[in-house]
Amino acid sequence: NAGVTQTPKFRVLKTGQSMTLLCAQDMNHEYMYWYRQDPGMGLRLIHYSVGEGTTAKGEVPDGYNVSRLKKQNFLLGLESAAPSQTSVYFCASSHWDRGQGSDQPQHFGDGTRLSIL
Amino acid sequence: SQQGEEDPQALSIQEGENATMNCSYKTSINNLQWYRQNSGRGLVHLILIRSNEREKHSGRLRVTLDTSKKSSSLLITASRAADTASYFCATVPGYSTLTFGKGTMLLVSP
Repeated sequence: NAGVTQTPKFRVLKTGQSMTLLCAQDMNHEYMYWYRQDPGMGLRLIHYSVGEGTTAKGEVPDGYNVSRLKKQNFLLGLESAAPSQTSVYFCASSHWDRGQGSDQPQHFGDGTRLSIL
Repeated sequence: SQQGEEDPQALSIQEGENATMNCSYKTSINNLQWYRQNSGRGLVHLILIRSNEREKHSGRLRVTLDTSKKSSSLLITASRAADTASYFCATVPGYSTLTFGKGTMLLVSP
């Protein structure tokens, strides 16, 4: 099993350009997440999804949009990239347990390193 | 937002020594999780301890949880160079999503 796969691995954009980051998981997980990781800031949740067709905002959602049209895929879009969005982006997924809810271990991809000039 | 805080920020030890990292958090939790991140890679889940548990073991890892002090510790025994990584604690306050601390960078020298 591949687990969580993120594409692309690296990307350089110019300010104002748009792009979509793709996350795919093959574990049939209900929950999927997008985080950004910046030096000294830890991981911050951008958006997440509790199932196909549903999304919700996390801690830092501004400037990003997401879609979950299929259970296995979670897309993160930047409509008009800004230098402040230079970061490493991680996707994660987790199982939903009826008794324990959303607090199951998360499985992470290896990240997309995005630079915006 | 709710967040764990790891201490120390960085730790440097020799192979064979034990490494202890601490995590403090602010509000009541359902569970606390520890993750490892190797350089250039994603986070890997290590261990989950529930709020009604006090101690948990997994191989060379030992995690304790003190809900009265809102703190947890991760002990890695007999450290190896391959344990060099950043370690994060993450908490789940109520029925919410994981929030991560800023991590402890562990360097294990041969």
